[in-house]
Amino acid sequence: TQLLEQSPQFLSIQEGENLTVYCNSSSVFSSLQWYRQEPGEGPVLLVTVVTGGEVKKLKRLTFQFGDARKDSSLHITAAQPGDTGLYLCSPRTGTYKYIFGTGTRLKVLA
Amino acid sequence: DTAVSQTPKYLVTQMGNDKSIKCEQNLGHDTMYWYKQDSKKFLKIMFSYNNKELIINETVPNRFSPKSPDKAHLNLHINSLELGDSAVYFCASSQTAYSRSSSYNSPLHFGNGTRLTVT
Repeated sequence: TQLLEQSPQFLSIQEGENLTVYCNSSSVFSSLQWYRQEPGEGPVLLVTVVTGGEVKKLKRLTFQFGDARKDSSLHITAAQPGDTGLYLCSPRTGTYKYIFGTGTRLKVLA
Repeated sequence: DTAVSQTPKYLVTQMGNDKSIKCEQNLGHDTMYWYKQDSKKFLKIMFSYNNKELIINETVPNRFSPKSPDKAHLNLHINSLELGDSAVYFCASSQTAYSRSSSYNSPLHFGNGTRLTVT
């Protein structure tokens, strides 16, 4: 069973702070996606990264895929309460099967 | 609105009962999934169906029986419910894309979940 560790598991910060969350594995992946899940809802796709070393920006969110395509990070600049949620990484492991990391629960306090 | 919708949103029942959760997607996707999210928020795949055919069954007990009457629907029936079945169940869909040498699925679109509580 492939294991995707996300860290930290929980993070509570003040509005305006910066943060980085990580997704690590011992396996190599062809691509990786990040989702955000808000309470009472299903996960929603934020971004897909495909190439080793790739960096993608989505407003205040910066996503990076590791050079070896085994890990990824998500950096949020000047966090806002609307960023609160569960962040999940999900690599492509094969057709018809998406697995998910252990998740990072982020709470941004106003 | 185009979406993945599942019903009911909440389901409270007693041990030993049988219950069903329904899922429908109007995105035109060819693949549908059931995921289980436990109290620690870990999201685990249970089943995936492509064009109504079962593709993945992740060693789920046979008390769980998915049924896909057509590409747009994937229902989940659970027999003899146990306390450990309490969780949030998510339906999702995606579209298969084919290149010359391989196939892959588009990102997942999730429903808003069904919170099952077994007492």
